[in-house]
Amino acid sequence: KAGVTQTPRYLIKTRGQQVTLSCSPISGHRSVSWYQQTPGQGLQFLFEYFSETQRNKGNFPGRFSGRQFSNSRSEMNVSTLELGDSALYLCASSSPWETSGYNEQFFGPGTRLTVL
Amino acid sequence: AQSVAQPEDQVNVAEGNPLTVKCTYSVSGNPYLFWYVQYPNRGLQFLLKYITGDNLVKGSYGFEAEFNKSQTSFHLKKPSALVSDSALYFCAVRDPNSGGYQKVTFGTGTKLQVIP
Repeated sequence: KAGVTQTPRYLIKTRGQQVTLSCSPISGHRSVSWYQQTPGQGLQFLFEYFSETQRNKGNFPGRFSGRQFSNSRSEMNVSTLELGDSALYLCASSSPWETSGYNEQFFGPGTRLTVL
Repeated sequence: AQSVAQPEDQVNVAEGNPLTVKCTYSVSGNPYLFWYVQYPNRGLQFLLKYITGDNLVKGSYGFEAEFNKSQTSFHLKKPSALVSDSALYFCAVRDPNSGGYQKVTFGTGTKLQVIP
């Protein structure tokens, strides 16, 4: 079974630009979560999608948005990039079942975003 | 609100010695607890989880963790450390009793350094 894939793996942008990151979950998984990882803040939850619906959101500004498609693939978008948005963005998928909160998450390798 | 603490930023251990990476949690009810490991430039990999049942949980690569409800702890252990165990370890918690579908909260991570 193929793992979680994220594209692109590396991205360099300048302040003020916008960026779209993509995540393909493990086949059959309907839950996709996004995290921002930085050395100073650790792993911060961005949002979670299940069956095309956002059902949880972290404490990030509205510049961060996401969506999920009918095939469970997900994208996150960051508009008006700031220097502080430089981070590793991780996507994780889990659970084909709505209430299986006990299922572990499977992480992709991440997208390394650098904002200049 | 749920939370998880990893009190040690870094743990150093000699190869062949037992290792312990500490984790404490705070939830309103009985938690779901997870350990993940992250190698450099990679996403997180699932190690083990506690949902219910036996307090001693065995996971991948010889790791185990003990759930202690009275001390609200879920420390990760391994009887004999390998140099290849050197990585960043994350503890995570989900409170299934807090209503709705709660996100997973990650600790800040503990860097494990196994010295040859």
